[in-house]
Amino acid sequence: NAGVTQTPKFQVLKTGQSMTLQCAQDMNHEYMSWYRQDPGMGLRLIHYSVGAGITDQGEVPNGYNVSRSTTEDFPLRLLSAAPSQTSVYFCASSYSNGGGAGGYTFGSGTRLTVV
Amino acid sequence: LAKTTQPISMDSYEGQEVNITCSHNNIATNDYITWYQQFPSQGPRFIIQGYKTKVTNEVASLFIPADRKSSTLSLPRVSLSDTAVYYCLVGSNYQLIWGAGTKLIIKP
Repeated sequence: NAGVTQTPKFQVLKTGQSMTLQCAQDMNHEYMSWYRQDPGMGLRLIHYSVGAGITDQGEVPNGYNVSRSTTEDFPLRLLSAAPSQTSVYFCASSYSNGGGAGGYTFGSGTRLTVV
Repeated sequence: LAKTTQPISMDSYEGQEVNITCSHNNIATNDYITWYQQFPSQGPRFIIQGYKTKVTNEVASLFIPADRKSSTLSLPRVSLSDTAVYYCLVGSNYQLIWGAGTKLIIKP
């Protein structure tokens, strides 16, 4: 049982480049989220989805796009990378909303550096 | 939204009980309280969740007083492998507030 799988684990981008961070879960969870984690800033919610075809913005959505065409996959797209997007990105899934019963299952993260 | 405050760091010794408290004065009626553990280069891992009173599982206990303005994660008989960062999360329906994390260091 893989849980939540994120790829790639590490990525270096040049300013202005675009890329997609992949996230897949095999637990049939309806709810999926993307977080970024910066030193001293804790975890901040970027976007989330409550089911296939339904997404919404979190606390820090600017510069990121998401879509959810299947229950399993929830990719995060960086449209035009900026140094301020250097961070560790975590994908998480849950069978209820993240603050509700059961909690999140997190992936192992993607460490992104924008130069 | 509830603001969560937790100590930045704590030290303890193997075999001791460790209690980490999170303050959340503005917690809403529907909010849950959840604790996560994170090791370096890994994603946070769910430890325990509660709504009120006391919850216990195989690894920890969570104490929540009647006013729910704080919560205490209790780790019994810690070992070196419990050295990690512990996060408190309060909220519901994606109105979520994460604490900044408590770095727990266990010494031999």
